[in-house]
Amino acid sequence: ETGVTQTPRHLVMGMTNKKSLKCEQHLGHNAMYWYKQSAKKPLELMFVYSLEERVENNSVPSRFSPECPNSSHLFLHLHTLQPEDSALYLCASSQERGLQFEQFFGPGTRLTVL
Amino acid sequence: SQQGEEDPQALSIQEGENATMNCSYKTSINNLQWYRQNSGRGLVHLILIRSNEREKHSGRLRVTLDTSKKSSSLLITASRAADTASYFCATDGQGAQKLVFGQGTRLTINP
Repeated sequence: ETGVTQTPRHLVMGMTNKKSLKCEQHLGHNAMYWYKQSAKKPLELMFVYSLEERVENNSVPSRFSPECPNSSHLFLHLHTLQPEDSALYLCASSQERGLQFEQFFGPGTRLTVL
Repeated sequence: SQQGEEDPQALSIQEGENATMNCSYKTSINNLQWYRQNSGRGLVHLILIRSNEREKHSGRLRVTLDTSKKSSSLLITASRAADTASYFCATDGQGAQKLVFGQGTRLTINP
């Protein structure tokens, strides 16, 4: 257990569905991240939140919408996704937003878009 | 863009042997991190080495960093079946505001 939980662990959705991924960290960290991991591609950073403020958005399509209501929770709202969005979505947190801090990852949500 | 590239892409050894994985990167860094990922799971941080360090140990893990060659290696000694996983290096790089991960080395320990 890393102290970062994600739900659901698996999700199958159609292209017209709306769903949300949830991440919760129990570590008292101030920074949280969403990553996308596709087959045969490096881990891609999607969003970064520091003290509940979005500080980075790496050219992610608008069909992905993050939300950080407090420092412990992070959501990724999904709508009108494409089959190529099927991937493992990983949430992570770190003590502060800084590249000298290790990141703690959740187990991921395996998303399949039909 | 800067990116850690692990080598080899896949490695299969017998239990008890040592496993060595390498990471090369393109631009100067402040620190380099190694992570492990079991199949379909999240990443687990293993070790962080700073640019002014040359070697670091943690249990059966030994990481080296050669900034002149822009490369790092991860050595796992006396491997165990539980070490079977993918191993990633992640670099920052001056000016970058995010960790950049390589594609990983898939390590298989055969009993």
